Amino acid sequence: GENVEQHPSTLSVQEGDSAVIKCTYSDSASNYFPWYKQELGKRPQLIIDIRSNVGEKKDQRIAVTLNKTAKHFSLHITETQPEDSAVYFCAASNRDDKIIFGKGTRLHILP
Amino acid sequence: DAGVTQSPTHLIKTRGQQVTLRCSPKSGHDTVSWYQQALGQGPQFIFQYYEEEERQRGNFPDRFSGHQFPNYSSELNVNALLLGDSALYLCASSSGTPLDTQYFGPGTRLTVL
Repeated sequence: GENVEQHPSTLSVQEGDSAVIKCTYSDSASNYFPWYKQELGKRPQLIIDIRSNVGEKKDQRIAVTLNKTAKHFSLHITETQPEDSAVYFCAASNRDDKIIFGKGTRLHILP
Repeated sequence: DAGVTQSPTHLIKTRGQQVTLRCSPKSGHDTVSWYQQALGQGPQFIFQYYEEEERQRGNFPDRFSGHQFPNYSSELNVNALLLGDSALYLCASSSGTPLDTQYFGPGTRLTVL
């Protein structure tokens, strides 16, 4: 069945450094890949998404890359700040709109 | 422009009881998806409603059922509650166009004792 694997489960990064979170997916029909940020006790918030007709997308300090051949995609956060501390979820969806989430990465930004 | 809203915010039930959770989509959205998020886990897709019909379903038992109303709001019903049903229940709305962005509501925290 459909599956999304996410690594690492926990990531600690010095403030100002970059953070990278990687995901792989199993359904080759997947063609939409959103990333959500969830702070403690709050709802998941979309931070960036990418569709399969592009390989990379950037929005200020956040970028996502997609390799459809290898079925993996990554989130890159540059110049990390304390407010980037949260749980990040990758997800994959096919044309049926069923979104499958990874298990999440808890990102700690160290002062 | 109101975002996605859910009610109630918290709920405590006992095993065997039934519960109904409610969701109102973001203005302009006609599709509602429901997710279960256990503590420390990612959201798990339960089902999706479009045009008042269940369009997609995840791996959840028939105890989980739903409904969508003509105004696009939706309900999630869970019968015969189990301890393992304790979780944050999230709904997300979208426009119905394939691959459209889904926006989440604040969730309902269900505790089953």
